[in-house]
Amino acid sequence: AQSVTQLGSHVSVSEGALVLLRCNYSSSVPPYLFWYVQYPNQGLQLLLKYTSAATLVKGINGFEAEFKKSETSFHLTKPSAHMSDAAEYFCAVSNQAGTALIFGKGTTLSVSS
Amino acid sequence: NAGVTQTPKFRILKIGQSMTLQCTQDMNHNYMYWYRQDPGMGLKLIYYSVGAGITDKGEVPNGYNVSRSTTEDFPLRLELAAPSQTSVYFCASSRKGPPGPDTQYFGPGTRLTVL
Repeated sequence: AQSVTQLGSHVSVSEGALVLLRCNYSSSVPPYLFWYVQYPNQGLQLLLKYTSAATLVKGINGFEAEFKKSETSFHLTKPSAHMSDAAEYFCAVSNQAGTALIFGKGTTLSVSS
Repeated sequence: NAGVTQTPKFRILKIGQSMTLQCTQDMNHNYMYWYRQDPGMGLKLIYYSVGAGITDKGEVPNGYNVSRSTTEDFPLRLELAAPSQTSVYFCASSRKGPPGPDTQYFGPGTRLTVL
């Protein structure tokens, strides 16, 4: 069965610093992986997704993630944090059973000036 | 193109009351989903639908019912509200379902409190 683990429920960075949000997955077959962002009091919005076309995936707002099969990881990064990046971030894997996405518990990103 | 819309945005229910959360999408997507989000727990799938007239249970279906009479609408029904159903509910839709890379588009959510 597929699962997703997000390491760190809360990450704090300074404006301009590197953002690194960690996601490890478990899947017996090649996975489809997603990162979603949720701004306060809003729904989830897709940041980027891995579809096996390329291991380095670029998303919106300067975010990118690298799929590493050997480490079963799909960590999200951004070179320079902006105040507007403060939000909750969810990693998800597509369910091979054909039902829906399996979400991690989320990581809240705080950005200080 | 409004995407996925949900009503109401907020609701307070008394224990034992019932209500319907509305969800509509205008993207002609076949797949629709209901999730609940509890603090620190991520999103859990309640029910999903692969097309009009076809629905199935997700991970946490107890206490809920759904119907899908049209492609656009996917209402979620709470029959006897309980405090454990206090949560934020999200509706989502996608052109195709998992397994696959299709993006799920989410509505803005309904914040429900049961007292």
